[in-house]
Amino acid sequence: AQTVTQSQPEMSVQEAETVTLSCTYDTSESDYYLFWYKQPPSRQMILVIRQEAYKQQNATENRFSVNFQKAAKSFSLKISDSQLGDAAMYFCAYRSAGSNYQLIWGAGTKLIIKP
Amino acid sequence: EPEVTQTPSHQVTQMGQEVILRCVPISNHLYFYWYRQILGQKVEFLVSFYNNEISEKSEIFDDQFSVERPDGSNFTLKIRSTKLEDSAMYFCASSLRLSNQPQHFGDGTRLSIL
Repeated sequence: AQTVTQSQPEMSVQEAETVTLSCTYDTSESDYYLFWYKQPPSRQMILVIRQEAYKQQNATENRFSVNFQKAAKSFSLKISDSQLGDAAMYFCAYRSAGSNYQLIWGAGTKLIIKP
Repeated sequence: EPEVTQTPSHQVTQMGQEVILRCVPISNHLYFYWYRQILGQKVEFLVSFYNNEISEKSEIFDDQFSVERPDGSNFTLKIRSTKLEDSAMYFCASSLRLSNQPQHFGDGTRLSIL
């Protein structure tokens, strides 16, 4: 069975600086998708970024980028130029590329932005 | 941008009562999901639904749970006889058919069982 681990329960960063959130996963599959979701206090789960495992190039979305290391089964999220609105819980999630569409979630990392 | 909407935002129910959580997925999406998040724990998958039937369910989704798409827009989760341990945040999500399409989530319903 696949598992997702986020080893940092909480991280803090100064506004405008860069922070990296860690995620590792365990799977025997070769084809899958990885996601980072953000859950602000308003509680809606918002997709931040996604990565297809067959792509070597790391995904980027504006200030958000990932460092995808397939061999190491690592999928970290880098947030550049942190803003107060980035404060939230961040969840890493895994999904098989086959017919199994359920998301498997990490425990989350609480990101605090210091003004 | 289209959104998944969930009602109510907070439901308080006596133990043993039935509860129905409602969701309106994004209109052109074909796959629907329910997840739950017990306070302080990981988000857990409950069930996925496609073409008017359950496509996958977890061990949590036992006989007390059921899902339904009663019309062309709503997707409901029913808990027949609630238990204290059913207290959680319940999230509905929807996605397009293609496997690389992400799931879009609603704001969640906080269910409190007394």
